[in-house]
Amino acid sequence: DGGITQSPKYLFRKEGQNVTLSCEQNLNHDAMYWYRQDPGQGLRLIYYSQIVNDFQKGDIAEGYSVSREKKESFPLTVTSAQKNPTAFYLCASSIVLGGSSTDTQYFGPGTRLTVL
Amino acid sequence: SQQGEEDPQALSIQEGENATMNCSYKTSINNLQWYRQNSGRGLVHLILIRSNEREKHSGRLRVTLDTSKKSSSLLITASRAADTASYFCAQPQGGGADGLTFGKGTHLIIQP
Repeated sequence: DGGITQSPKYLFRKEGQNVTLSCEQNLNHDAMYWYRQDPGQGLRLIYYSQIVNDFQKGDIAEGYSVSREKKESFPLTVTSAQKNPTAFYLCASSIVLGGSSTDTQYFGPGTRLTVL
Repeated sequence: SQQGEEDPQALSIQEGENATMNCSYKTSINNLQWYRQNSGRGLVHLILIRSNEREKHSGRLRVTLDTSKKSSSLLITASRAADTASYFCAQPQGGGADGLTFGKGTHLIIQP
């Protein structure tokens, strides 16, 4: 069964704590992405990675960090520096051919983070 | 931000009717994509239309693209209750695998 998995589905954290969201894919995709979605809004890009051991900031990277040590995995850490972390977080991946993405992205089921 | 805008924000129709959603964007694109999101779930890719295409079909979906007006429309024909979802248009941020910029979406409700 190929796809993208995110865990946990629901996550609660106390203010001031760091928390790491998991994203794993077995699609053999080179590129992976993290998006944030607030109620009634579209998705905003946090970080993305086109290749192992390399990643770039998206539109709203402040207060977040990522790593890409393996092709299959792209965990996102929400740090205490993120002022308003309560949101729905979505991970995605895509194929990269010859340096250019096919652009179609495949999404995981999301993690809903609530800060108490 | 290059964020596109969908119109209308919400749409409620009877089952069997057609649903049309529009998307406007601000910058030139090499393609435009439409995604569906069921409540509380991840997004599912529906269709991608390239800048040199004017119309594309996939099952009950029809997408048009007018690059001169920087707009696209998604038509769902013969709607079903299962089509109830939010629909988003998205455009690539760059020429490579740089991520997508999404609009705020149209929430579609199909009344049985």
